[in-house]
Amino acid sequence: ETGVTQTPRHLVMGMTNKKSLKCEQHLGHNAMYWYKQSAKKPLELMFVYSLEERVENNSVPSRFSPECPNSSHLFLHLHTLQPEDSALYLCASSQDVTRDRREGYTFGSGTRLTVV
Amino acid sequence: QKEVEQNSGPLSVPEGAIASLNCTYSDRGSQSFFWYRQYSGKSPELIMSIYSNGDKEDGRFTAQLNKASQYVSLLIRDSQPSDSATYLCAVNMLRLDQFYFGTGTSLTVIP
Repeated sequence: ETGVTQTPRHLVMGMTNKKSLKCEQHLGHNAMYWYKQSAKKPLELMFVYSLEERVENNSVPSRFSPECPNSSHLFLHLHTLQPEDSALYLCASSQDVTRDRREGYTFGSGTRLTVV
Repeated sequence: QKEVEQNSGPLSVPEGAIASLNCTYSDRGSQSFFWYRQYSGKSPELIMSIYSNGDKEDGRFTAQLNKASQYVSLLIRDSQPSDSATYLCAVNMLRLDQFYFGTGTSLTVIP
C-alpha cells in the first residue's frame, strides 16, 4: 500500500462516545499533520508531529487528543465531541518540518465525521 | 484580513478555455506557494508549487507569482471537464511558520 491512508472513511458518533481516527503513511516521511476541513472554511491545522514528537498544537480543544507512536502512524482520539466538530478530518505527511517547507504535503483520503 | 484569500466562485468556463484562479496573501515574507486540487469528496492533491517571482509551467498548468503584489495565480489552459474541482491555494507564512490555506475556488468546466 502506498501514500497516506486513513480509517475509517466515515464515522458517526454520539456526543458521549469515544472513538479514534487512524492515519498511516508509507512514504518514509518524518512529519505528520492533522487538519480539519469544514464547509466554506479554510483547512485548519490542528496538530503537527515531527519524528513522533508533537511540535505544534493549534489551540485545539482537549476533546481532541493526538497520538504518534512512530513516524508512520498517527491517531486522533475523540471524546465528548460537539455537533460543531462535524467535519472532514485530514491527515497529511511531508518529508520533514522545516521553515522552508518546499515540498508540500501528501494528504490522506480523510475521515468524514458526523457528531449527533 | 484573512491570511490567504481566494474567490470562492463558482467559476465556470467552457471546455477548451483558459481558467484563471487567483489568490492573495497577507504575509509579505512568505516563501512557498502551492496549489492543490480537491475533487468533491476527495482529499487535496498537490498540483503546483512556486517559490520565485514569475511563471512556472507544468503541462496545461501555469502558476504565476508576484511577491510585490502578494498575489499568486493558477492558469489552466485547454480546460477539460475533468478539471472541475475545488482549487486550494496554500502559502507558507514565514511570520507564523506554518501553512495557511484559502477557502478554495470551485471550478466547473462545461462540456
